[in-house]
Amino acid sequence: NAGVTQTPKFRILKIGQSMTLQCTQDMNHNYMYWYRQDPGMGLKLIYYSVGAGITDKGEVPNGYNVSRSTTEDFPLRLELAAPSQTSVYFCASRSLVVGTTYEQYFGPGTRLTVT
Amino acid sequence: QKEVEQNSGPLSVPEGAIASLNCTYSDRVSQSFFWYRQYSGKSPELIMSIYSNGDKEDGRFTAQLNKASQYVSLLIRDSQPSDSATYLCAVRGDTGTASKLTFGTGTRLQVTL
Repeated sequence: NAGVTQTPKFRILKIGQSMTLQCTQDMNHNYMYWYRQDPGMGLKLIYYSVGAGITDKGEVPNGYNVSRSTTEDFPLRLELAAPSQTSVYFCASRSLVVGTTYEQYFGPGTRLTVT
Repeated sequence: QKEVEQNSGPLSVPEGAIASLNCTYSDRVSQSFFWYRQYSGKSPELIMSIYSNGDKEDGRFTAQLNKASQYVSLLIRDSQPSDSATYLCAVRGDTGTASKLTFGTGTRLQVTL
């Protein structure tokens, strides 16, 4: 049981390039989330999903897109990368089962630099 | 705008002492409260959750919640150097928010020898 996995671990992008951050969970969790964390700051929610085919914007969605075609995968797409998107990106998931805690399980993160 | 406020620190305590971390939140309908520990360069991991007023103890950790004052705290007894990390307070809003969490900016704890 690997939990939440993210690839790549590190990436350097040039301004204007695009890329997809991958996130996969093997816990059969319905809820999945994408956060970004800037240095010395808390986590800001970018997008979230409550199940396959259902996504919604979080607090800071501009410049990003997501899709959720399967329960396991929740990729985050950056189009036209900008220096303001330099950050550490965390994917998280949570179970929908009644009676479980509301704990979100986090992946190891992707450190992205846009220059 | 829902807000979660924490003192950024660093909070420095000697080994063996009690570390007290505080958090206030703005949304009165908040339901659930969490403390995550984040080591430098790592992802957050949940160490405590609390849902009702009062204290909740788990080993060396105690979470305290006062909904009337919109205040949640984390006490770490017998602090160890391995407790040195950033502690993030997170708050879940009402039941219609897909369990979205709002995070504070974190308090950096340093446990000195």
